[in-house]
Amino acid sequence: EIVLTQSPGTLSLSPGERATLSCRASQSVSSNYLAWYQQKPGQAPRFIIYGASSRATGIPDRFSGRGSGTDFTLTISRLEPEDFAVYYCQQYGRTPLTFGGGTKVEIK
Amino acid sequence: QVYLVESGGGVVQPGTSLRLSCAASGFTFTSYAMHWVRQAPGKGLEWVAVISHDGRDKYYGDSVKGRFTISRDKFTKTVSLQMRSLRVEDTAVYYCGRAPWPFFDWLSPVDYWGQGSLVTVGS
Repeated sequence: EIVLTQSPGTLSLSPGERATLSCRASQSVSSNYLAWYQQKPGQAPRFIIYGASSRATGIPDRFSGRGSGTDFTLTISRLEPEDFAVYYCQQYGRTPLTFGGGTKVEIK
Repeated sequence: QVYLVESGGGVVQPGTSLRLSCAASGFTFTSYAMHWVRQAPGKGLEWVAVISHDGRDKYYGDSVKGRFTISRDKFTKTVSLQMRSLRVEDTAVYYCGRAPWPFFDWLSPVDYWGQGSLVTVGS
């Protein structure tokens, strides 16, 4: 199975700052089938990015994804108060599908 | 509007069985692959299973393979997860989710999620 390692575990930032989250895969992710999700406490995850760099419907353009092969990044250009949450990457290029362990973006 | 509503969770003993259901509405059910994803208390997300839009193909996570079975019913627009030989480590909120694109295969992310159903396995 493909293991996804997210870093850092926690990111402490202020509103307005830029957030850069990393997701590294143990093997190349087929067709760059890499997604990102946002999850807030007590809520289901929210679909943000697919295909490594395409924004899901309704996602603001301050969210961007990039990367290929084994190294992927989610960037939030200017953090809004509602962006503080846990973010997960997921590869869906090979079964079993797998998630990373998550990065918590917290208010500094 | 897409709605996914899970049911069937509860408290069970280790070694027993439980069946979760997910009622879908607001989209053409027979066109989309469906997933189950779980989250243990205070932990991250774990993918559990996927079933193709027509029910022919099913895939499972390693930790549940051979114990869990995913199925779907086009008449009731329901996707189910039959869980057998439950273990303490199966304790989690179980989410039902839909693939984003019609007739895409099972290699898909999840765009719409239910609110989850809590399964607690413990004595």
